[in-house]
Amino acid sequence: DGGITQSPKYLFRKEGQNVTLSCEQNLNHDAMYWYRQDPGQGLRLIYYSQIVNDFQKGDIAEGYSVSREKKESFPLTVTSAQKNPTAFYLCASSPQGPILTDTQYFGPGTRLTVL
Amino acid sequence: GESVGLHLPTLSVQEGDNSIINCAYSNSASDYFIWYKQESGKGPQFIIDIRSNMDKRQGQRVTVLLNKTVKHLSLQIAATQPGDSAVYFCAENMARGTSYGKLTFGQGTILTVHP
Repeated sequence: DGGITQSPKYLFRKEGQNVTLSCEQNLNHDAMYWYRQDPGQGLRLIYYSQIVNDFQKGDIAEGYSVSREKKESFPLTVTSAQKNPTAFYLCASSPQGPILTDTQYFGPGTRLTVL
Repeated sequence: GESVGLHLPTLSVQEGDNSIINCAYSNSASDYFIWYKQESGKGPQFIIDIRSNMDKRQGQRVTVLLNKTVKHLSLQIAATQPGDSAVYFCAENMARGTSYGKLTFGQGTILTVHP
């Protein structure tokens, strides 16, 4: 998984609760990303960050929040406002971010289930 | 909006055969393409990439072909092995504005290799 760790691997949440997913990378990459994957579908971008203390909304940011206080860490909070949070969440990082040929490398994912 | 899609959702092959996975993209401004392999319950793994100024790139047992005229991308896997069974995604990166570093993913093709 290229030095990107996500925890926990499985997470269960009751309706109405916020939950935070961890993503850490030791690759010294500037950019980090959060994706959501639903069964039988491709990846959809939630948030991304090209540099510390800065982040932008992706295509499906509603009901999610992020922070980027350290280069190595990009935690994702799934809030109670997210209507359908059960999914597989993938974190990725890339060396430079705003570069055309910047390849993204993925972590192992966290499977979130709302009970 | 622009999107990346796949012609075939599933592909079954015999061990030792060559596999070809196809991807159609609609954004003529896309300049960079990546193929990922995703095994069940894991994060996507980088396989190979190609820039739009190339039409072919080879790796170990894999070849990516890019046909910009018809906006078509393919991944060829030589001597397919059971360990190649996975979902394969193509992704594109558009070289304009704030889209740098933002990948758009296709839905994926399930490759099943029978021994």
